[in-house]
Amino acid sequence: GENVEQHPSTLSVQEGDSAVIKCTYSDSASNYFPWYKQELGKRPQLIIDIRSNVGEKKDQRIAVTLNKTAKHFSLHITETQPEDSAVYFCASGGFQKLVFGTGTRLLVSP
Amino acid sequence: ETGVTQTPRHLVMGMTNKKSLKCEQHLGHNAMYWYKQSAKKPLELMFVYSLEERVENNSVPSRFSPECPNSSHLFLHLHTLQPEDSALYLCASSQRTSGSWEQYFGPGTRLTVT
Repeated sequence: GENVEQHPSTLSVQEGDSAVIKCTYSDSASNYFPWYKQELGKRPQLIIDIRSNVGEKKDQRIAVTLNKTAKHFSLHITETQPEDSAVYFCASGGFQKLVFGTGTRLLVSP
Repeated sequence: ETGVTQTPRHLVMGMTNKKSLKCEQHLGHNAMYWYKQSAKKPLELMFVYSLEERVENNSVPSRFSPECPNSSHLFLHLHTLQPEDSALYLCASSQRTSGSWEQYFGPGTRLTVT
């Protein structure tokens, strides 16, 4: 079945630095790649997503890049702030079927 | 209530008990999901209902039994669970549109099996 690997498992940065989280997937048929943020004790919430027909997407301080040939995609957060501290999950698949990565705990220190 | 709601938020049950988790979505979506979230493991998709029909069952043990009586409600019936079933159970919903495939999650039910 589909497998999604996510790295690193934890990431500590100083406020203002950039953070990058990387995921690889195995199913070449996957065509949808969302990223979710889950704060402690709260529900996962979508922060950005990308379809397979697009190589990059940006929304203010966050961006996602997709390399379909290499089967990997990455989340980039610039000018990090303490409120960015959370667990971030990547996922791959299609509509109604997603396989999630194991999550990255991001800690942004003031 | 808006979004996706789940009840109860916390549940402790013995291995011989029978209980049900409830999910309700107020977004007008036509698909609903159950996920299991365990510590240090990825979110695991358990069941998918689309237009009230089950379209996905990821080899989930029969002690978990889903029910979708209408497009707004989803239940997960639990019986003779094992301690390893202790986890956060998340419900989600989505609506296939040309613009978004986003799944909206509920707050989850924290289940402890003793």
